[in-house]
Amino acid sequence: GAVVSQHPSWVICKSGTSVKIECRSLDFQATTMFWYRQFPKQSLMLMATSNEGSKATYEQGVEKDKFLINHASLTLSTLTVTSAHPEDSSFYICSAREQFGNSPLHFGNGTRLTVT
Amino acid sequence: AQKVTQAQTEISVVEKEDVTLDCVYETRDTTYYLFWYKQPPSGELVFLIRRNSFDEQNEISGRYSWNFQKSTSSFNFTITASQVVDSAVYFCALSGSAAGNKLTFGGGTRVLVKP
Repeated sequence: GAVVSQHPSWVICKSGTSVKIECRSLDFQATTMFWYRQFPKQSLMLMATSNEGSKATYEQGVEKDKFLINHASLTLSTLTVTSAHPEDSSFYICSAREQFGNSPLHFGNGTRLTVT
Repeated sequence: AQKVTQAQTEISVVEKEDVTLDCVYETRDTTYYLFWYKQPPSGELVFLIRRNSFDEQNEISGRYSWNFQKSTSSFNFTITASQVVDSAVYFCALSGSAAGNKLTFGGGTRVLVKP
């Protein structure tokens, strides 16, 4: 079945540094990828929709200058958390849908970010 | 706007008991998709089922079954003869008909199956 690989699975960084998270569709092409954020014991909240070859669409309240999204190819989207702060500590999950057809979203295994 | 409500935040059962998770949704789309995902303690999301709005047939897959009632905008999920490995958070989600449309999640229901 379709696989989405997310890397790294966990990262600890110091406040003020930037962290890049990669999301790859391994066996299918994805024109659209989605980035979600999940705080402990809470639901997944959509942060942005990543579109291949164009700018990402951010949900209301999500700072686009802080959460940089790049979707340079049909198999790779990256989320960069810039100037991270402790309140950015969270679980970030990407998902992708195959380019054609009405397939369900496939999710990566998530990245747990801890900012100290 | 789309909305998914999972009224039960946590359910605790003893192994072999049945457990039903409620999901109520709101959407203005005439064509939409409903999903259930399982999130075990390890964090990854496991796809369980997708149902489109025109297919109201109930579905059974092993110990899992789903009851889609369009008249009440509900898409409930039942685990029969629960096992400890079923302990996880379960999310109901909704997607509109447009290609690439975003998925809206409910708040999730934590299921704890005790041996």
